[in-house]
This record gives sequence, structure tokens and C-alpha cells, in this order.
Amino acid sequence: QVQLVQSGAEVKKPGASVKVSCKTSGYTFTDYYIHWVRQAPGQGLEWMGWINPKSGGTYYAQKFQGRVTMTRDTSITTAYMELTSLRSDDTAVYYCARVEGVNNWFDPWGQGTLVTVSS
Amino acid sequence: EIVLTQSPATLSLSPGERATLSCRASQSVRIYLAWYQQKPGQAPRLLIYDASNRATGIPARFSGSGSGTDFTLTISSLEPEDFAVYYCQQRSNWPPGTFGQGTKLEIK
Repeated sequence: QVQLVQSGAEVKKPGASVKVSCKTSGYTFTDYYIHWVRQAPGQGLEWMGWINPKSGGTYYAQKFQGRVTMTRDTSITTAYMELTSLRSDDTAVYYCARVEGVNNWFDPWGQGTLVTVSS
Repeated sequence: EIVLTQSPATLSLSPGERATLSCRASQSVRIYLAWYQQKPGQAPRLLIYDASNRATGIPARFSGSGSGTDFTLTISSLEPEDFAVYYCQQRSNWPPGTFGQGTKLEIK
């Protein structure tokens, strides 16, 4: 079955960077985009951007441009999301999700990675 | 940019009752609307796509309807495991990942 398994929780200080991984299995990695979505505590879903695993092309939401980088390693069918210059309001659960194309339904999702930014 | 507005913010019902959740788009999204369920501590799960199609493994008590700007998710008879937060999402227009703010379905 299709699975997306994310790396474990992180605690970072303000100004630091975090890199979250999303290991995929059960399908052809290069046939689907990987999108990243975050959810602050008690809040809704906020889309961050996508990566095309086949080409490595990316698109980032304007809010995150300059601070986020999405990459992939096709040899291990894993996608990554790195966020720099962390602030306290970046504290959130970060999800990866498989999407057929640049703009489609998110299915399935990874289990989520909690990133806590605190001094 | 399309804005999705969900109502009510919170819905309090009892098991066995019928639940009706609404999602309204600021402009037409045709039929390109999905519903997700999120339980505490879990990732969202796709329930309904293209307004009325159930995703794989979703029970028949979940149904979706609507087109254009007004959409409804109906749960015909609530089971204890259905109490969760529900989000709608559109894919008709850019940007991707446009979600509503969510409706919390809680036990009365």
C-alpha cells in the first residue's frame, strides 16, 4: 500500500533551520508530486509548496519563498522540506502528501512531524 | 484567490444523528471540491473528491453534493469514530492547497 513516513519530532531555537524527510513507498515515486502542508497548534491547514520528484522542479507559496527549500532523492524515494530562519510562529506539525499533479487532491498524507521552535 | 468558508464552526450531535456540513466558495470551483477528515493527533484523510466521489475505503454513510459555490458533506448516521474536524479543499483554481477553516464535529 502507498505509505509516506516522515522523520521524527524536532526542537529548534529561533533562527535555526529544520529539515523534515518524507519516505515514500508503494508507488512509483516520480509519478506523483509531493506537497507540504503545515498546521499550527489548534489551527487549520496551510499549504507550503510542492516538488516534482521527476524533474526536481519546485513551487513555493509566496509566504515561504526565500525560507523554504524542497528537494528529493529519487534513489531512496524520499522528499525533503527545509525551513530556515525559524521563528516561534513556525511551531507546527508539518505534513507531506502525495498529489497527482500540481493541483489535485492530497492522498495519502504522511503522519506529520512536529517542529517546535523555542528558546 | 478563492476563499472557502465552512459552516458551522462547531456542530454538536449525538451518535446516530445525521450531520450536514457546509462549504461555500468565494467563486465557482465547478465540481472540484474535496472533503477531508482529521482526528486528533492524526493526519487528514481524503473522504470525498470531485464533490461527490467517495475515496477508497470510505463508508457509504459519507456523501458529498454540490457544485459551483455551495457544497455539502452529509454523514447519514453518526458513528462514534466520525467525531473529528472536517476540511474542504478546492482544486479548480491556483494556488493548490486552498482549504476551508474546518468544522469541528463534536459529541453532544
